[in-house]
Amino acid sequence: DSGVTQTPKHLITATGQRVTLRCSPRSGDLSVYWYQQSLDQGLQFLIQYYNGEERAKGNILERFSAQQFPDLHSELNLSSLELGDSALYFCASSVGVAPYEQYFGPGTRLTVT
Amino acid sequence: ELKVEQNPLFLSMQEGKNYTIYCNYSTTSDRLYWYRQDPGKSLESLFVLLSNGAVKQEGRLMASLDTKARLSTLHITAAVHDLSATYFCAVVLNDMRFGAGTRLTVKP
Repeated sequence: DSGVTQTPKHLITATGQRVTLRCSPRSGDLSVYWYQQSLDQGLQFLIQYYNGEERAKGNILERFSAQQFPDLHSELNLSSLELGDSALYFCASSVGVAPYEQYFGPGTRLTVT
Repeated sequence: ELKVEQNPLFLSMQEGKNYTIYCNYSTTSDRLYWYRQDPGKSLESLFVLLSNGAVKQEGRLMASLDTKARLSTLHITAAVHDLSATYFCAVVLNDMRFGAGTRLTVKP
């Protein structure tokens, strides 16, 4: 158990809908990262927040957004969902701002039908 | 742009055999990680390699780093079924970039 929690574990929704994925980092970690893992794209970095501020952006679609709250938990919002958004979404956390020593959560499996 | 390439992508081994997974990356990086992922599960950190010539070993797995060649290897010694999983290398520049993964199957 990495200490990173994610909810929900599974999510099934229809195209065009909007969902929110939640992540709580390990105690003491200030950075939260979001990744998408799909069969065709592999494991891709989406976005990093550090202590409430956006720090780095990867291949995140404009339909996706994230935020980190004062209690350091983070939410990833996915809107206008398409079939291709079906994937495993991982959250990871680390102590500092540099993307080192990341601990991964169990993931949320999103299925868009 | 940083590119990370792993090979092979699929590896089927007999128990007791040795094999090596390769990870090449395209630009100078701070550090390199190896992760293990079991089907449907999260990523478990195996090794972090920080400098040229770094070698780390845990059980039947040994990882090494050659920063001049931009190459890391994960060597498997006397494979056992429990090692069946997908192994990823990941390289850090401004963010963490993952290779495509090597799906390892160890057969009796």
